[in-house]
Amino acid sequence: AQSVTQLDSQVPVFEEAPVELRCNYSSSVSVYLFWYVQYPNQGLQLLLKYLSGSTLVESINGFEAEFNKSQTSFHLRKPSVHISDTAEYFCAVSDLIKAAGNKLTFGGGTRVLVKP
Amino acid sequence: DAGVTQSPTHLIKTRGQHVTLRCSPISGHKSVSWYQQVLGQGPQFIFQYYEKEERGRGNFPDRFSARQFPNYSSELNVNALLLGDSALYLCASSRKTGQETQYFGPGTRLLVL
Repeated sequence: AQSVTQLDSQVPVFEEAPVELRCNYSSSVSVYLFWYVQYPNQGLQLLLKYLSGSTLVESINGFEAEFNKSQTSFHLRKPSVHISDTAEYFCAVSDLIKAAGNKLTFGGGTRVLVKP
Repeated sequence: DAGVTQSPTHLIKTRGQHVTLRCSPISGHKSVSWYQQVLGQGPQFIFQYYEKEERGRGNFPDRFSARQFPNYSSELNVNALLLGDSALYLCASSRKTGQETQYFGPGTRLLVL
């Protein structure tokens, strides 16, 4: 069984300040890792993903996340946030066993509130 | 191309009633998954279908059922609604199962009174 823990339920941050959202996972098999963002009253949008290769992955809007296998972590960072980054962020994993499909296991979410 | 679409957007039901939620995947995607997101929590996996066959089921009671049609659209049915079924129901599609990234629709918000 897999589990995902997002250590912070809420993160207030001032505009143009850096932010880090922490994500740790537990799995008995190798996994794929994802960050999704959910704006108010909307569905989930894929922010970035780690499937293989370089452990540092980047999104088009300035977010980056680093896969750390030894620490089973996939923390999300942005060096300078904007008001428009106010949203809820979800970390998710799916395992590499094709027969198991690509079911996602999500963390509880981190609500980011960017203050002017 | 259009993204994943879901209908209806909002729904109000009373306890004991039945509900059907609908999802159309991205064109070319053959896999559909359903998730339940209770307010303040992360989404929980309910079902996955691929090529009209069930490929995965989460820890939900038998009141929850789903199916996938030849055009790869899908329905989620919930019988004997309980207050605790109030949630945002999300549909996600992918080209196939396994290594594919899932893309989510806007969801159907169900309120059970």
